[in-house]
Amino acid sequence: NAGVTQTPKFQVLKTGQSMTLQCAQDMNHEYMSWYRQDPGMGLRLIHYSVGAGITDQGEVPNGYNVSRSTTEDFPLRLLSAAPSQTSVYFCASSFGQGAWEQYFGPGTRLTVT
Amino acid sequence: AQRVTQPEKLLSVFKGAPVELKCNYSYSGSPELFWYVQYSRQRLQLLLRHISRESIKGFTADLNKGETSFHLKKPFAQEEDSAMYYCALATGTASKLTFGTGTRLQVTL
Repeated sequence: NAGVTQTPKFQVLKTGQSMTLQCAQDMNHEYMSWYRQDPGMGLRLIHYSVGAGITDQGEVPNGYNVSRSTTEDFPLRLLSAAPSQTSVYFCASSFGQGAWEQYFGPGTRLTVT
Repeated sequence: AQRVTQPEKLLSVFKGAPVELKCNYSYSGSPELFWYVQYSRQRLQLLLRHISRESIKGFTADLNKGETSFHLKKPFAQEEDSAMYYCALATGTASKLTFGTGTRLQVTL
């Protein structure tokens, strides 16, 4: 059981480039989320999904797209990278909504120059 | 809108001293509150949730609805408690969590 996996671990992009951060889980969790972690700001929700084919925006969705074609995968796409998107990105999954424990991936550290 | 406040960025205590990490929330509904912890070079993981009323690694947290607080406490700090601690609030739908800004606990000898 790998849990929640994320690739890549590190990435450097130039302003304007696009890329996809990958997230996968093997726990058959319905709920998946993307957060970004910035110094002094904690974790902020970018997008989330309550099941395959269903996604919704979180607190800071601008500049990011998501899709959920399978239960296992929840990729995060940066359409045109900006320096403000330099951050550590965490994917998380959970069995149910609300009070269920969220399982986090190891994170992707992204730098946009 | 919901909000979680952790007023201390850094809390430094001596080994064996009591620890209290503060967390206050604002939410109009019935809160579901959690403490998550991130040890050095490890993933963010759940420490405890108020609904379970459990003690994990000697830590406890009591929900005080009157003071809208969920402070994390431990009577005797250990070196291995050094980590980043996040208080989080679930709105009850879709596993969305609102996190506080985190408190770094540093336990020194």
